[in-house]
Amino acid sequence: ELKVEQNPLFLSMQEGKNYTIYCNYSTTSDRLYWYRQDPGKSLESLFVLLSNGAVKQEGRLMASLDTKARLSTLHITAAVHDLSATYFCAVDIPYTNYGGSQGNLIFGKGTKLSVKP
Amino acid sequence: DARVTQTPRDKVTEMGQEVTMRCQPILGHNTVFWYRQTMMQGLELLAYFRNRAPLDDSGMPKDRFSAEMPDATLATLKIQPSEPRDSAVYFCASARGITYEQYFGPGTRLTVT
Repeated sequence: ELKVEQNPLFLSMQEGKNYTIYCNYSTTSDRLYWYRQDPGKSLESLFVLLSNGAVKQEGRLMASLDTKARLSTLHITAAVHDLSATYFCAVDIPYTNYGGSQGNLIFGKGTKLSVKP
Repeated sequence: DARVTQTPRDKVTEMGQEVTMRCQPILGHNTVFWYRQTMMQGLELLAYFRNRAPLDDSGMPKDRFSAEMPDATLATLKIQPSEPRDSAVYFCASARGITYEQYFGPGTRLTVT
């Protein structure tokens, strides 16, 4: 059974600081997605990481994927209040341990980020 | 600006009543997903379709939930009879294919009293 674990689950940080959210998963997969959810809103796609070593950046957020370590990170640089939200990683379930896709995602429990002035 | 749409946005109903939620995927997307989100369980996949055919509905309580795609522009999720434990936000998402990123609709907030 594929398990996806995020940590921390809650993160309170000050504006201007840097921090990293970690996403570990338990079986081979080379597709990982990051989503953002604002309170009472839907999920918004942030990053799609499709191969080992993939790195993507958008503004103050940078995501990376290490499929060998089964780890993805979401790094926040110089946080601002507008980044306050819950961040989810989601892993694509492979057909086998060697790749392919079943086409659905297993989501982590989310990291609730609060950026304070 | 293509978006997934869902109706209704909010639904309050009494236990035992039938609830139908509707989703219009983004035009051209051939894969549709239904999720349920609660504080306790987080985000759970209920069912998904590709080219209107159900691929997996193992996440759904079979005795009371049913999901269909009558045509390429409409997906439905039905609960009959509804129970208080079904109270949650139900999201629909669509994707261009199985390996593509999923775009989520605004959700239907269901409250069963």
